[in-house]
Amino acid sequence: QVQLHESGPGLVKPSETLSLICNVSGGAITSYYWSWIRQSAGKGLEWIGRIYASGSADYNPSLKSRVVMSVDTSRNRFSLKLTSVTAADTAVYYCVRGALAGFGTWGQGTLVTVSS
Amino acid sequence: DIQMTQSPSSLSASVGDRVTITCRASQNINNWLAWYQQKPGKAPKLLIYKASNLESGVPSRFSGSGSGTEFTLTISSLQPDDFATYFCQQYDTYYTFGQGTKLDIK
Repeated sequence: QVQLHESGPGLVKPSETLSLICNVSGGAITSYYWSWIRQSAGKGLEWIGRIYASGSADYNPSLKSRVVMSVDTSRNRFSLKLTSVTAADTAVYYCVRGALAGFGTWGQGTLVTVSS
Repeated sequence: DIQMTQSPSSLSASVGDRVTITCRASQNINNWLAWYQQKPGKAPKLLIYKASNLESGVPSRFSGSGSGTEFTLTISSLQPDDFATYFCQQYDTYYTFGQGTKLDIK
């Protein structure tokens, strides 16, 4: 059974870059596509972007200018970078496996707070 | 952007009740709609995909229906474990979520 686990700093300073990694275990990252989704009290659930094992990525148009996702198939993991963060980027960040049948597998989530 | 609007935003019900939650899309999403259940401190859990398909392992008291722009999630007989927040999500054009429906005990 595939499991996802997010890791990264829980506190990021305003204007800096948020960086998270999602480790995939129990299955190959070369199948499916992989997304980041965040959840905050203010904006609810918000899709950030998705990436395929090939490295091809799509991003939420509202975040596109600040987001970069990458994939490392040798380590079975993918990552998120969000630049120029503000307090509005404070949220629980989830890595998620996607398919035509919806988002069936989620990580446990990691809280990232943007504060000086 | 496709907007998803859920109603009601909150709902009080009793064990054994039949409950219906509605989700409306701002344009036709070709039945690319999913429903999720979320409990406090946990990630959302997929219940229904492609509008009416039950995810493996999800109890049959959950069902989804609808097409085009209007969809419903029905719980036929509420159980204590069902008190949670429910979200709809379209995946026709990228992904957007409804604002959620919090279901609590009356």
